[in-house]
Amino acid sequence: KQEVTQIPAALSVPEGENLVLNCSFTDSAIYNLQWFRQDPGKGLTSLLLIQSSQREQTSGRLNASLDKSSGRSTLYIAASQPGDSATYLCAVKNSGGSNYKLTFGKGTLLTVNP
Amino acid sequence: AAGVIQSPRHLIKEKRETATLKCYPIPRHDTVYWYQQGPGQDPQFLISFYEKMQSDKGSIPDRFSAQQFSDYHSELNMSSLELGDSALYFCASSFPQGRDEQFFGPGTRLTVL
Repeated sequence: KQEVTQIPAALSVPEGENLVLNCSFTDSAIYNLQWFRQDPGKGLTSLLLIQSSQREQTSGRLNASLDKSSGRSTLYIAASQPGDSATYLCAVKNSGGSNYKLTFGKGTLLTVNP
Repeated sequence: AAGVIQSPRHLIKEKRETATLKCYPIPRHDTVYWYQQGPGQDPQFLISFYEKMQSDKGSIPDRFSAQQFSDYHSELNMSSLELGDSALYFCASSFPQGRDEQFFGPGTRLTVL
């Protein structure tokens, strides 16, 4: 059974700082990995999708890396802003068969202080 | 760009009542997923449909059922509601055949009193 762990559970940084969020998964047989952002009580916004054959993806100030063999992914946020404050969720999709569900980690609650 | 639409956005029910949640996927997306997110929890997969057939089943209670219709919209039917069913219910869609990025709707917040 796939298990996804995110470290740290919470992170508080001053505005402008670069930061890294970590995600690890137990089963390396994944199809892809998605990073999401969730504001309190709101929906999930997809930030980046990394296919299993890729090493990294970039979107603006965000960069996500994937090391499938070691079961790890990181989300790098450059020059953080107060508007980046949210919960960041990592989710993996296992490969094989018709099982395309996402397994989520419990998220990292990020607070960027002005 | 069109997004996943869910209705209603908020729903308040009494214990033992029934509820129906609706999901309209992004046009041409052929796979729909339902997830449940309890307070302070990560989203948990309930059930998915590909081309109107159930493709996978997760931790969905027997009191819940779902289907995907010919126009690809999906409905989650919940009966004999319990207090513990209070949660955010997300629908997501993807294309093709579920291998691609999943896009989530805004969710339906169900409160059971």
